[in-house]
Amino acid sequence: DADVTQTPRNRITKTGKRIMLECSQTKGHDRMYWYRQDPGLGLRLIYYSFDVKDINKGEISDGYSVSRQAQAKFSLSLESAIPNQTALYFCATSSGGRGDTQYFGPGTRLTVL
Amino acid sequence: GEDVEQSLFLSVREGDSSVINCTYTDSSSTYLYWYKQEPGAGLQLLTYIFSNMDMKQDQRLTVLLNKKDKHLSLRIADTQTGDSAIYFCADYNTDKLIFGTGTRLQVFP
Repeated sequence: DADVTQTPRNRITKTGKRIMLECSQTKGHDRMYWYRQDPGLGLRLIYYSFDVKDINKGEISDGYSVSRQAQAKFSLSLESAIPNQTALYFCATSSGGRGDTQYFGPGTRLTVL
Repeated sequence: GEDVEQSLFLSVREGDSSVINCTYTDSSSTYLYWYKQEPGAGLQLLTYIFSNMDMKQDQRLTVLLNKKDKHLSLRIADTQTGDSAIYFCADYNTDKLIFGTGTRLQVFP
């Protein structure tokens, strides 16, 4: 089984709808991250969490919110989706140790019409 | 803020070497990473280098770091069609990774 899983893998929704993307990990890591990927822009950090009680905004947090329900679960919400939030979304985890290597989920492709 | 830049495309013939370049602005980098993204998949860690190293070799992969010029490169020897993917460099900065735009490597026969 994959160490970092994301659901759903694909989602098409309409402008104004509320959407939740979920991430679960079995690596036992404290740190979790949400990124979005757009062609030609690489990955940009939306939110990150270093433990269950810690939530931090990343580079592009406007229009998004997150919830860290447990060490293993970190969800990303779009309260009112808009078309420019159409992107590929990745969850990642890390242990916070030396080098702090991040491990990525398979991604969620979100399309907002 | 800190920035990481890469060229967007690289095309090489199968069996040749590929060199993917990356420049960064962070003068206090501790680790620099290379990730690979295959179509429809997430990012897979390829290798990383600590900032006090000049070079790191791992099988077909060679990472070179020029800290003075803030330049990082990834060389893939004997490039195969399975190496076709997007390659991201990333700079570890204050508990976060700053990613480059990614270089799409296309390998043709």
